[in-house]
Amino acid sequence: GAVVSQHPSRVICKSGTSVKIECRSLDFQATTMFWYRQFPKQSLMLMATSNEGSKATYEQGVEKDKFLINHASLTLSTLTVTSAHPEDSSFYICSARDVGGYNEQFFGPGTRLTVL
Amino acid sequence: QKEVEQDPGPLSVPEGAIVSLNCTYSNSAFQYFMWYRQYSRKGPELLMYTYSSGNKEDGRFTAQVDKSSKYISLFIRDSQPSDSATYLCAMSTYSSASKIIFGSGTRLSIRP
Repeated sequence: GAVVSQHPSRVICKSGTSVKIECRSLDFQATTMFWYRQFPKQSLMLMATSNEGSKATYEQGVEKDKFLINHASLTLSTLTVTSAHPEDSSFYICSARDVGGYNEQFFGPGTRLTVL
Repeated sequence: QKEVEQDPGPLSVPEGAIVSLNCTYSNSAFQYFMWYRQYSRKGPELLMYTYSSGNKEDGRFTAQVDKSSKYISLFIRDSQPSDSATYLCAMSTYSSASKIIFGSGTRLSIRP
């Protein structure tokens, strides 16, 4: 149980384009999902907290107009990187908190974004 | 000062050794303590989850929490090459809405 999937697993795009990443909880409902970014050999940096049916809460320094988050259902959250630039290249990981669980988060496998 | 401090390593030990990974923290309100394992280019996998102080054992893994010292540990017995990964400690306060704070991760390598 507690499986979180992400799609796509890897994406390469040209500078200036937008990229959408999906995060799904497969066998549980998640009122809260989290989006992280991880640069090589560094820890996870929380970007935003996504709550089902409401606006996401962004961490300081994260541009909400650049990283659009939608959490339309209890099993799906999406992150759209708008007008991507090479410095946005990173490993993006989502996690989900089980409605019926405690405080642990279950992570997706991550999406590697490369912006040319 | 970071809320959670973790030695980044790398830590290299021979197969079969006991591994000790540690984190310290500054926020006395933390109540939930977790250890995640992350293989290269993969998402973190929850290994252990502990509420408040005490020990928890699961197979070859033992998690310890000492709230008086603000110190948590993960022990791996009979370490295997497949245990080679980055281990992240993580913690949060009591509220179910609170975010989790991660340590920087310790890179562990088990030599065959």
